[in-house]
Amino acid sequence: QVTLKESGTGILQPSQALSLTCSFSGFSLSTTGICVTWIRQPSGKGLEWLADICWDDGKGCNPSLKNRLSISKDTSNNQAFLKITSVDTADTATYYCARVSITPYYFDYWGQGVMVTVSS
Amino acid sequence: DIMMTQSPLSVAVTPGESASISCRSSKSLLHSDGITYLSWYLQRPEKSPQLLIYQISNLASGVSGRFSGSGSGTDFTLKISRVETEDVGIYYCVQFLEVPYTFGAGTKLELK
Repeated sequence: QVTLKESGTGILQPSQALSLTCSFSGFSLSTTGICVTWIRQPSGKGLEWLADICWDDGKGCNPSLKNRLSISKDTSNNQAFLKITSVDTADTATYYCARVSITPYYFDYWGQGVMVTVSS
Repeated sequence: DIMMTQSPLSVAVTPGESASISCRSSKSLLHSDGITYLSWYLQRPEKSPQLLIYQISNLASGVSGRFSGSGSGTDFTLKISRVETEDVGIYYCVQFLEVPYTFGAGTKLELK
């Protein structure tokens, strides 16, 4: 059974760094063709893809956040991490992690999401 | 970035009737490998999105056969037959052709 769960700082002030952890079970990030991705959703709005990290340590990132975003993984502990620096109110959103299967390509299992609020 | 445009943005359907949602991309989603990287997701109220269809028309595991996808190139359609209460939510198309992956704005399906 595949499960993912996001955790991290719930409330931040502008200019701080956001750090999120995706803890998962039922699959391994060392398995060929498997990645973990991050997507966010401001309240009442649509979905924005942020970044992904794959079994071979390949990474993809949304250029709109490229200078502020970093993604990493701990394969041994079944975790993936997202960090966004210099946050502002526009980063307020629910953040999801999801498993990616690259053949065929889709996000097949999602976490429940974690809400992050940036406010002064 | 590839822009994904959905229509309508909301639709109200009588249970048992059908609904169709359109998605148009600003660039062909057909890759040189012959695969079209277009998927559909449903986000039920207060829930995470779930995969419905991938590569235009392939039904994800466990998804009802009442859902079907069609299209090619830049124009795609999701059809829901015999709409049920559990189909209520927001439907998103998404392109996985190139980074950044982009979602449509969503189509909200409600029951009449």
